[in-house]
Formats: sequence, structure tokens, C-alpha cells
Amino acid sequence: DAGVIQSPRHEVTEMGQEVTLRCKPISGHDYLFWYRQTMMRGLELLIYFNNNVPIDDSGMPEDRFSAKMPNASFSTLKIQPSEPRDSAVYFCASSLTISNTEAFFGQGTRLTVV
Amino acid sequence: RKEVEQDPGPFNVPEGATVAFNCTYSNSASQSFFWYRQDCRKEPKLLMSVYSSGNEDGRFTAQLNRASQYISLLIRDSKLSDSATYLCVVNMYSGGGADGLTFGKGTHLIIQP
Repeated sequence: DAGVIQSPRHEVTEMGQEVTLRCKPISGHDYLFWYRQTMMRGLELLIYFNNNVPIDDSGMPEDRFSAKMPNASFSTLKIQPSEPRDSAVYFCASSLTISNTEAFFGQGTRLTVV
Repeated sequence: RKEVEQDPGPFNVPEGATVAFNCTYSNSASQSFFWYRQDCRKEPKLLMSVYSSGNEDGRFTAQLNRASQYISLLIRDSKLSDSATYLCVVNMYSGGGADGLTFGKGTHLIIQP
């Protein structure tokens, strides 16, 4: 397996534009997580899915953020409209279970909103 | 309210020395604990799990103290390649079950030749 695959690796966009981040989890993993990492706040859990169903989205900062998982092999995180404070590295991770197992991370998407 | 706290460092340590980090967590019901390593501009990767009885993997030793709610990581005979950020990770639990992994902000380690 190629691991968790995220795209794009880098994204630079203007304030107000829509941004869509994509993730392909490891096949067979039932859990998918979206994290955001900044210097100030570290790694923050935004939302996670179990078998394609959103379980906890309490970490999603505001209504401008939305996430979907239409099938077991694909998830998106959308920001609309984007703001400069959304600039961060966004990681997708997947795991077999919710506890006691390793979470495998993608390489991340570095988002810059200007 | 900070759920997982770590000293951000940086820890500047000469090659060959022993270095230890601690991490505290707030949720006493937490069941699973890990140390992840993150290299600059890379994704986090699992370094080791932390078991109640403590565990060792080569030069790395992890320990858990449930009574005081802290986790430790000890690195012996440090190498230049150990330079990285070490993330303390706790699987938080609530009434509904596990809540996913909560990460500390990390401790930055620099091994100097």
C-alpha cells in the first residue's frame, strides 16, 4: 500500500477563494482523521470519520470548514471562503481502530492564504 | 484547558548524552499513550506505544505514571539523527468512548556534534 495520500502538497490561494484538500486513506482502515498544524496551536483534530460516517466534528473551527467522505477511499476538507488565518499544514491520517493502534499520516497539504 | 502538555524546548544535547522528556495529560480516563516523532516539514510517525508496565525499544524507553498522569521518554546514547520534534499523544476517552488521538505541541530536540 502506498500509505495515506494527500493532494495537493502545496496550495496558495487568495482570501475568499474556496479551497479543497483531498485524502486517500490506507485501504482497510476504518478511521480517517483530519488534523491542522500551526506553530501556535500544534496539531489539532478537526474531524474524524468511522466507516465514512462523521463521528466528531467538534474541532472544526467554524462553518467555513466542511468535510466529506463519500466512500471508503476518499475524503475532502473544504474551506469556503478561505481566510489568511487558515494558513497551516493540514494532515489526513487513517487507522484500523480508534484506540491502541497506530495512526498513519499523509505528507500533508501546506496551505497559504494571502 | 490544555489536555496534553509538553515542554516545547528546544533541548540542545551533545551527541552521546541521555535526554528525557515528560508529558502530562488531563483526562484520567485515557487508555492509550504514544510517542510520535516529527521531522522538520514532514508528517508525524509513530515512535513507540507506551504501556503501563513501561517499554523499551533499543535506545528508547517509555514509561507511564497513571497516578500522576504523566508519560516519559528517555533516549540513551543520543545520535545526530535523533534531532526531531517528539510528540506526546494520548487517546482521550469520554462518555461515548474513545475520542481519537490528542497531540501535545511537541518537544524540539537538537543533538549537537
